[in-house]
Formats: sequence, C-alpha cells, structure tokens
Amino acid sequence: GQQVMQIPQYQHVQEGEDFTTYCNSSTTLSNIQWYKQRPGGHPVFLIQLVKSGEVKKQKRLTFQFGEAKKNSSLHITATQTTDVGTYFCAGPRGSSNTGKLIFGQGTTLQVKP
Amino acid sequence: DARVTQTPRHKVTEMGQEVTMRCQPILGHNTVFWYRQTMMQGLELLAYFRNRAPLDDSGMPKDRFSAEMPDATLATLKIQPSEPRDSAVYFCASGLNPLAKNIQYFGAGTRLSVL
Repeated sequence: GQQVMQIPQYQHVQEGEDFTTYCNSSTTLSNIQWYKQRPGGHPVFLIQLVKSGEVKKQKRLTFQFGEAKKNSSLHITATQTTDVGTYFCAGPRGSSNTGKLIFGQGTTLQVKP
Repeated sequence: DARVTQTPRHKVTEMGQEVTMRCQPILGHNTVFWYRQTMMQGLELLAYFRNRAPLDDSGMPKDRFSAEMPDATLATLKIQPSEPRDSAVYFCASGLNPLAKNIQYFGAGTRLSVL
C-alpha cells in the first residue's frame, strides 16, 4: 500500500548546527505538506508544496519538493531551542480529492543549548 | 482565533469503561478526521467525515470503537469497552476540502490512559 517514509527518526544537534529531514513517498504526490508537533502538543501545519522542484523558505526553514514529486526535504539553518519537536511530512492519501492525508513517522529533533 | 476544540484534554479510566471524546471542528470546515497517536504506530487515521457523512472508518477497530457526527459542530469518538491498549493521544482535525487543498487543523488532543 501507499507509504510515506521519513529519515532520520531522531536527530540531536547542538544549537546553531543545521538540520535536515527527508521524506520519501512510494507514490507520486500532487502536493506535500509539513507539520510540526512540539513536545506534548499537536501537529501544526507549516507549509504546502505543490509544484515539481518547488522550494519555499520560512525564515530559517527551507522546504523542497522533488522533481519527481515523490520526495521532499526540510532544512533548518542554525537551529535554535525553539525548533525542538517532531516534524512530519504528509501527502494526499489515495485520490487527492478525499482530503485524507498519509503521514510519515516523523523526525524528532532535539537541540542542545 | 478559529481552532479545533477537543474535550476532555485528559482522561484516565479503568478497563471496561466507556470513553467518549468530543471535537468541535472549525466553523465552516467540511471534513473531520480522528487520529490516534502512539510512539509505536505514529499517527493512525481512525475515521473520516465529509459534510457529516462517515466516509472511511477502515482504520478503526469496529467491535469497540464508533465515530459519529450528530451535527456540524460536534464529532464524537467512543470506545466501549475500553482496553489498556487503547491508551494513546487521540486527535481530531478538520479541514475545508477541496478549497483548502487537504490542509488539516488539529485540536489539542485527548490523552487517554486506560488502567
């Protein structure tokens, strides 16, 4: 069945270091979304990418959608303690018209001050 | 500030008891999702409603779980009888599909502990 995989599962970095998480889908996606979940919190939508090869930036966060629309990445430059949390990628489950999403397992980021 | 509201935030119960979780989606949203989150399984989709109609509950154990949407402002998830393996965080999310392109807005969750 359809799968979305993320690597790594966990990442510990020193504050100020960069961080990247990768997302790979078993199927071509019409779009991909990224969510952040703080410890003890709930997933919060960050961004959606739609076009092949699209790159979007939010301050220190850079999101990329692969040319084949099957993979994506999130890169954080100069991490801060406020970046701590789990980052999920998600794509449409089945037909994009249903509204359902399939989520990756997430990458949990720990930042040491 | 529009948001998805879930109650209760925490629930501790004994095995065999009925548990009811409630969700108020964002006003105007036409899709509602129930997820279960555990360390082992991650985010699992339990049920999906569109315009209040249940369209997919294939991820839900049918013998003990039920999901309903009695009106546009309330979605419920019931477990009867509850078991220790049901301990997890249950999230409700809502969205406006297709206009909002599958973006989902999550509630704060119900943290369930079944003893």
